[in-house]
Amino acid sequence: DTEVTQTPKHLVMGMTNKKSLKCEQHMGHRAMYWYKQKAKKPPELMFVYSYEKLSINESVPSRFSPECPNSSLLNLHLHALQPEDSALYLCASSLEGYTEAFFGQGTRLTVV
Amino acid sequence: TQLLEQSPQFLSIQEGENLTVYCNSSSVFSSLQWYRQEPGEGPVLLVTVVTGGEVKKLKRLTFQFGDARKDSSLHITAAQPGDTGLYLCAGAGNQFYFGTGTSLTVIP
Repeated sequence: DTEVTQTPKHLVMGMTNKKSLKCEQHMGHRAMYWYKQKAKKPPELMFVYSYEKLSINESVPSRFSPECPNSSLLNLHLHALQPEDSALYLCASSLEGYTEAFFGQGTRLTVV
Repeated sequence: TQLLEQSPQFLSIQEGENLTVYCNSSSVFSSLQWYRQEPGEGPVLLVTVVTGGEVKKLKRLTFQFGDARKDSSLHITAAQPGDTGLYLCAGAGNQFYFGTGTSLTVIP
């Protein structure tokens, strides 16, 4: 099983809403990542969790708040987003930090 | 800082043609991955290369890791419309560094 599952697949939210993106993997991976991707551009790293601890925060605005409840789950809490935050949000996991990563299908987020 | 440069950035070819995508860096990586991504989907891992000079084949795709582990290439033989997508290389160091991406369109 090399599957990383993300929900929801699509999300439309207003600028005053609070929503959460979810990511799950059952491969026993100990590193999990959130990326943001604009059309036809490479993914941009947002956060890295290693052994359930936040190890990298790439200067992401506080309106994005990550959470790692356990080794299989990763959440991204969204609050007061801006239209420019509309993008594909990707979750990935790897066995340990910075070995080959497996990606979920992404959540297409639109902020209106 | 973009550590991995891919070329070409865009490529449009006819079905049946061959093509090569390059991924170059001045940094050394412990491993390098190639991904293919279709619109609205997540990147799918195609291959991981680890050893300098390594060559891996996946059906019509041939991947090569440079001897110095700084660069890599992806060669596709007899391209098919199903090969259309965004190809990304990613180098593993103290984090993943994605390449700039190559958008490939194969015209039937």
